Amino acid sequence: EVQLVQSGAEVKKPGESLKISCKGSGYSFTSYWIGWVRQMPGKGLEWMGIIYPGDSDTRYSPSFQGQVTISADKSISTAYLQWSSLKASDTAMYYCVRLIPVSWHRYFDYWGQGTLVTVSS
Amino acid sequence: DIQMTQSPSSLSASVGDRVTITCRASQGISNYLAWFQQKPGKAPKSLIYAASSLQSGVPSKFSGSGSGTDFTLTISSLQPEDFATYYCQQYNSYPWTFGQGTKVEIK
Repeated sequence: EVQLVQSGAEVKKPGESLKISCKGSGYSFTSYWIGWVRQMPGKGLEWMGIIYPGDSDTRYSPSFQGQVTISADKSISTAYLQWSSLKASDTAMYYCVRLIPVSWHRYFDYWGQGTLVTVSS
Repeated sequence: DIQMTQSPSSLSASVGDRVTITCRASQGISNYLAWFQQKPGKAPKSLIYAASSLQSGVPSKFSGSGSGTDFTLTISSLQPEDFATYYCQQYNSYPWTFGQGTKVEIK
């Protein structure tokens, strides 16, 4: 059974750093891209970026480029999303999602349960 | 960026109703369109990819159609478990973008 299990909720102060995780199981972790999606409170879904754990090839949405870092450790089948200096506006639910390749395109299939990040002084 | 516009933003329907949600892309995206369902407090669930292909395990009451710029998601007979928010998403070109969502509520 394919599963993406995300790390638990976080409460941080502005300016602090944070790294959240997404552990894949039930499939070959290095063979599928993993994406991250943000959902701010009461709002819609926003695509942040993707990573291919096999070689750490990464793509970012321009809206998130330079604001976050996406990485992966294939030895433990885990992808990460990290911030070096959090802002109150980073308060949101963050989802990881597996991607299925179709030629040059990729679509979402399995989603993680989400990690709630709250940034407040 | 490609803008995705869903209509309506919300709708009220009764159990057993046939419901159709529309998604329009600001430029052609071939059939690189997906649909998702999200219930309150839950992660999104993937329903459809390639505009009309059902994800594994998704019941056949859900169907998708369209190509180019205009797409639809249809629920053939609305059941209590279908009341949720639905999102479309284009994956034709970066940055991938979502529609703003359509909330399906009980009449």
